[in-house]
Amino acid sequence: SQKIEQNSEALNIQEGKTATLTCNYTNYSPAYLQWYRQDPGRGPVFLLLIRENEKEKRKERLKVTFDTTLKQSLFHITASQPADSATYLCALDSWGKFQFGAGTQVVVTP
Amino acid sequence: NAGVMQNPRHLVRRRGQEARLRCSPMKGHSHVYWYRQLPEEGLKFMVYLQKENIIDESGMPKERFSAEFPKEGPSILRIQQVVRGDSAAYFCASSPMTGELSYEQYFGPGTRLTVT
Repeated sequence: SQKIEQNSEALNIQEGKTATLTCNYTNYSPAYLQWYRQDPGRGPVFLLLIRENEKEKRKERLKVTFDTTLKQSLFHITASQPADSATYLCALDSWGKFQFGAGTQVVVTP
Repeated sequence: NAGVMQNPRHLVRRRGQEARLRCSPMKGHSHVYWYRQLPEEGLKFMVYLQKENIIDESGMPKERFSAEFPKEGPSILRIQQVVRGDSAAYFCASSPMTGELSYEQYFGPGTRLTVT
């Protein structure tokens, strides 16, 4: 069966450092992969989309990589700030049906 | 441009009652998705709809749950004869289109259903 795995342990990081999150998947051949941010009590907010033929995508302090051979995406937050504290979800799109990972919580301390 | 709207934000039902959750997509979006989220768990896909069509309902429980997206008005997720296990946050998302291309989803604030 299709599976998406994100590190369930919270990532505690000091302000200014780079946070790196992992999204691994199995039994999937996605054409696209998306990352979302979710704050407590709120709906997810779209951050970045990367296509299978793109190795890397950047948006401000965010960077996403997509390795279809390893079946893995890495999500980086550079120069992290306390405001970046949230849960980050990866999502795979299979012809309109989205499957989300359980998310990784990031806590940035001053 | 108003975002995705969901109501009610909080809904309390007794076991055996019906719950109706509403979702108004963003203006111009014709694709709606419903997800369920339990505490400390990820979003679970339930159903994907276009106007007047159910495209994929593979994530919906076979009984008691139904969804519609009529030509006019909001999308409705209906849960009949609710049980305690239905207590969760239900999120609706909309997208301008999908299919060959992937588009980001815009999520509503969710409806928190509590079954007592």
